[in-house]
Amino acid sequence: SQQGEEDPQALSIQEGENATMNCSYKTSINNLQWYRQNSGRGLVHLILIRSNEREKHSGRLRVTLDTSKKSSSLLITASRAADTASYFCATDGNTGNQFYFGTGTSLTVIP
Amino acid sequence: NAGVTQTPKFQVLKTGQSMTLQCAQDMNHNSMYWYRQDPGMGLRLIYYSASEGTTDKGEVPNGYNVSRLNKREFSLRLESAAPSQTSVYFCASSSIQGVGYTFGSGTRLTVV
Repeated sequence: SQQGEEDPQALSIQEGENATMNCSYKTSINNLQWYRQNSGRGLVHLILIRSNEREKHSGRLRVTLDTSKKSSSLLITASRAADTASYFCATDGNTGNQFYFGTGTSLTVIP
Repeated sequence: NAGVTQTPKFQVLKTGQSMTLQCAQDMNHNSMYWYRQDPGMGLRLIYYSASEGTTDKGEVPNGYNVSRLNKREFSLRLESAAPSQTSVYFCASSSIQGVGYTFGSGTRLTVV
């Protein structure tokens, strides 16, 4: 399976703190994406990083990619209660045809 | 702008019954996907359609069929439902392969 693995499975932090979650994958990739899922809802695309990129920013989100270690991290700075959700990484292998999702990190931000 | 619309939102089936899950997108996207989400398993790809007129199997296609009716619509059919198909089903679309997906809100299916 090309499925990514997120770590930790669950994370609980205080509002205002930073949250870091990691994703490891098995095969080489073209692209890696991060998604957010609020309870009972569909997934929302957050950010895409290509294999030739090392870091991308979007608002309070920072994503890094280390292809030599086959890993990525998502950093959410100055977290808010509204950031409480599950976060998934998705990788496309070398095919680029479809993305394979990990099992997710459940983030709880305590007000 | 509705994005990706899935119907129904909830469904209970008896083992052996058949049903079709509907998905439609209004963003003129070329590619569409069906995923299932089970606790502890993340999302697993069932089938996808890279463009109108084409469909391909994903990770877990057994027990399912799909139809790309036109550019907007991509349906998923369960011919003979089994309890193992109890899951939340998500449809997604993307403008081209390799870019971010837009997901529907899901169909929660229970097979008893």
